Amino acid sequence: GENVEQHPSTLSVQEGDSAVIKCTYSDSASNYFPWYKQELGKRPQLIIDIRSNVGEKKDQRIAVTLNKTAKHFSLHITETQPEDSAVYFCAASTQGGSEKLVFGKGMKLTVNP
Amino acid sequence: EAGVAQSPRYKIIEKRQSVAFWCNPISGHATLYWYQQILGQGPKLLIQFQNNGVVDDSQLPKDRFSAERLKGVDSTLKIQPAKLEDSAVYLCASSLTTSQETQYFGPGTRLLVL
Repeated sequence: GENVEQHPSTLSVQEGDSAVIKCTYSDSASNYFPWYKQELGKRPQLIIDIRSNVGEKKDQRIAVTLNKTAKHFSLHITETQPEDSAVYFCAASTQGGSEKLVFGKGMKLTVNP
Repeated sequence: EAGVAQSPRYKIIEKRQSVAFWCNPISGHATLYWYQQILGQGPKLLIQFQNNGVVDDSQLPKDRFSAERLKGVDSTLKIQPAKLEDSAVYLCASSLTTSQETQYFGPGTRLLVL
């Protein structure tokens, strides 16, 4: 089955810096890659997603890139703000069959003012 | 629109006791998921329903966990008997159709097994 690895597990940056979170996946048939943000004690919320027919997607300060050949995808946050502090999860899903999402272990981002 | 509702929000039980969680998905969402999130890890899918049918329950410990979605709307997840390692947050999520659409999560039920 699918295995999603996420790194680093923690990242601390200064406000205004950029942050990059990387994920790798094992199933070459995976074609949907969402990113979720989870603040302490709250529910995960989708912040951006990308499908395998697209290499990059942007939404204001966040962007996601996908390299299907290498089986990795990354989340980029520019001009970080303290409210970006949270745990970020990547996930991968394969079309067909159960299409279930497999999540990475998460990365705790701390943005210092 | 109203989000995914879950209850209770917190539950403390002793090992070998039973417990049940309830989820009400977003209106009109055909697909419902139960995830287990152990502290410091990502959500792990336990079971996925499409309407009232099970799509995937490959990671559900069926000797102690059960779930149902009888009328294709609300769902319950039960653990009987509970073990210490079941301590986790149990998240319910729903999506309009498939898992490749946005999954909206509920607030979760935090379970502590003593």
